[in-house]
Amino acid sequence: EAAVTQSPRNKVTVTGGNVTLSCRQTNSHNYMYWYRQDTGHGLRLIHYSYGAGNLQIGDVPDGYKATRTTQEDFFLLLELASPSQTSLYFCASSDVWGVAEQFFGPGTRLTVL
Amino acid sequence: GDSVTQTEGQVALSEEDFLTIHCNYSASGYPTLFWYVQYPGEGPQLLFRASRDKEKGSSRGFEATYDKGTTSFHLRKASVQESDSAVYYCALGPGANTGKLTFGHGTILRVHP
Repeated sequence: EAAVTQSPRNKVTVTGGNVTLSCRQTNSHNYMYWYRQDTGHGLRLIHYSYGAGNLQIGDVPDGYKATRTTQEDFFLLLELASPSQTSLYFCASSDVWGVAEQFFGPGTRLTVL
Repeated sequence: GDSVTQTEGQVALSEEDFLTIHCNYSASGYPTLFWYVQYPGEGPQLLFRASRDKEKGSSRGFEATYDKGTTSFHLRKASVQESDSAVYYCALGPGANTGKLTFGHGTILRVHP
C-alpha cells in the first residue's frame, strides 16, 4: 500500500489559474517536501515542513505557497500559475532527520497553458 | 553551500556492459551520500546510502564507495540489463538542522537489448 500519495496525477490549467496539489503520507513522518523535476535541473526543493503548521522555504520558492494542515497532509498552492511552472511535481516524506531516506510519491504532472 | 555534480547527463549502453556514473560532492563534515533511482512513471526511490568514509553501499548489483579524499560516490554496475533503464540521482544530506537533501541533476541511463 502506497505510503505517499499525490492528487491529482495530472492537471492542466491556464495562465493565471489557481491550482492546489495535494500530498498525503501514512509513514508517520515528521518531514514533508515538495520538489519540482525538470529536464536539465533534476529535483529542486520548493518548500518543506517539519510538522503541522510549520513551513520552511526551499531553494526555488517563488510563485509557490504551501501549507501543512496535519502530520499527514501537505499542500502546494499556485495562486497565479504561469507557463514556467509547467513541471512534474513530487512530494516526499522522511523521518526526523534527512539521514533517513525520503519516500517519494508518484508525482503530479502540471501543465500551464 | 552543499552541491552535488553528476558528470553524465545521459548514458547509453548495451546489455551486459559495465556502468559508471560519476558523482562528486562539496559539503562540510561527513554528509550521508545517497543514490536514488527513478523508473519511468514513478517517483524516485532509494537505491542505497553510505555514511562513512570508505563505506560501500550496494543494492541490486549496483555499488558505490564513499571516498572523502576525492569527495566522490561513483555508481557502478558490472553488467547492466534493459530493466536498469532509469534516471539515477546522487544526493547528499542532511543539511544543518534540516532534513534537506541536495540532489544532483540526474543521469538518464538507457540500456539497449
